[in-house]
Amino acid sequence: AQSVSQHNHHVILSEAASLELGCNYSYGGTVNLFWYVQYPGQHLQLLLKYFSGDPLVKGIKGFEAEFIKSKFSFNLRKPSVQWSDTAEYFCAVNAGGGADGLTFGKGTHLIIQP
Amino acid sequence: DAGVTQSPTHLIKTRGQQVTLRCSPKSGHDTVSWYQQALGQGPQFIFQYYEEEERQRGNFPDRFSGHQFPNYSSELNVNALLLGDSALYLCASSFASGGEGAQYFGPGTRLTVL
Repeated sequence: AQSVSQHNHHVILSEAASLELGCNYSYGGTVNLFWYVQYPGQHLQLLLKYFSGDPLVKGIKGFEAEFIKSKFSFNLRKPSVQWSDTAEYFCAVNAGGGADGLTFGKGTHLIIQP
Repeated sequence: DAGVTQSPTHLIKTRGQQVTLRCSPKSGHDTVSWYQQALGQGPQFIFQYYEEEERQRGNFPDRFSGHQFPNYSSELNVNALLLGDSALYLCASSFASGGEGAQYFGPGTRLTVL
């Protein structure tokens, strides 16, 4: 079975600060990796995904993530955050086909102070 | 292009009752997955339907059952409701044959069990 660990449950940053949210997964085989975001009052939205190829993945709104297989990690980064990035961020993983059931981390609540 | 839709938005039930939640997938998608999201937690995978069959199931009791219709829409049924079933129930759709398809989420149904 897979598991996902997100190290930071609450993160508070000022606007223009750089962001890195940690995500580690536990699974011995090939995995697909995702970051989802849930803005206040909105539904889960896909930020970015990794299936294969270049381990540095670029997503929407200036976010990127790097898959480091040796560290079982898929950290989310953004060089300069904005107040509108305030949201809950979830890392997720599945195995096999991309459509398989996702295993989510507990989420990181990110607050950006103006 | 309509996204994933769910109904109802909110629902209040009492212990022991039964509930049915509904989901219409994103246009072009043929697979529907259901998740339970407790307050402050990441979504947990309940099960997935493809070609009107339950294709994959998470660690949920048999009180949770589902159905997929020929038009790919889906229902989640929960029998003998417990207080602990109070949560946000999320539906996600994807395209099974797409290889690198990701799952797209609906707004959810907030279930409160009294």
